[in-house]
Amino acid sequence: GENVEQHPSTLSVQEGDSAVIKCTYSDSASNYFPWYKQELGKRPQIFIDIRSNVGEKKDQRIAVTLNKTAKHFSLHITETQPEDSAVYFCAAPQGRDDKIIFGKGTRLHILP
Amino acid sequence: DGGITQSPKYLFRKEGQNVTLSCEQNLNHDAMYWYRQDPGQGLRLIYYSQIVNDFQKGDIAEGYSVSREKKESFPLTVTSAQKNPTAFYLCASSIEISREIENEQFFGPGTRLTVL
Repeated sequence: GENVEQHPSTLSVQEGDSAVIKCTYSDSASNYFPWYKQELGKRPQIFIDIRSNVGEKKDQRIAVTLNKTAKHFSLHITETQPEDSAVYFCAAPQGRDDKIIFGKGTRLHILP
Repeated sequence: DGGITQSPKYLFRKEGQNVTLSCEQNLNHDAMYWYRQDPGQGLRLIYYSQIVNDFQKGDIAEGYSVSREKKESFPLTVTSAQKNPTAFYLCASSIEISREIENEQFFGPGTRLTVL
């Protein structure tokens, strides 16, 4: 079936340490993998994305990796800062009509 | 802030009443979506529309209805048949529904519905 699994549901890391969030998907035809960030009380917004023609994409402290064979992709945040605290959602197009399916989200807490 | 708006921000409803949530976008997007967000449940898809006068059920459509008479508008009605309607509702839009493009979704600010 159409499914995107996300782990962990909650993650607490010390400021300055790294955070990793992992997702798996079921539709092997998926080729676009966005991540959304939702700060407390705000709407989700696109954070970073990756297409299936690359295995990794970096933007300063943020990186996403993709393993199409294993059907999983990950978000890596290094040198975490207080403003990284938020809920992060992974997503992927699934099924015959290509609609985006979201993971259940990871609440990231950056500890002082 | 993305050109997609929702109203009202907070909504209170008595049990047994229908209520309609507004969603408008000026991004010229073909696709629009309604999600329900509950703690620990992520974003669950209620309905989506790929084009005017067409819409499809999502994962949790029971107790909800939508219309798409205009490209820029996609109102959601929460009916009395929805057994647990208290939630945060998010509307979103994208250029289209296709895995061939970077199909970024733009979200509205949300409506928090409380059933009294």
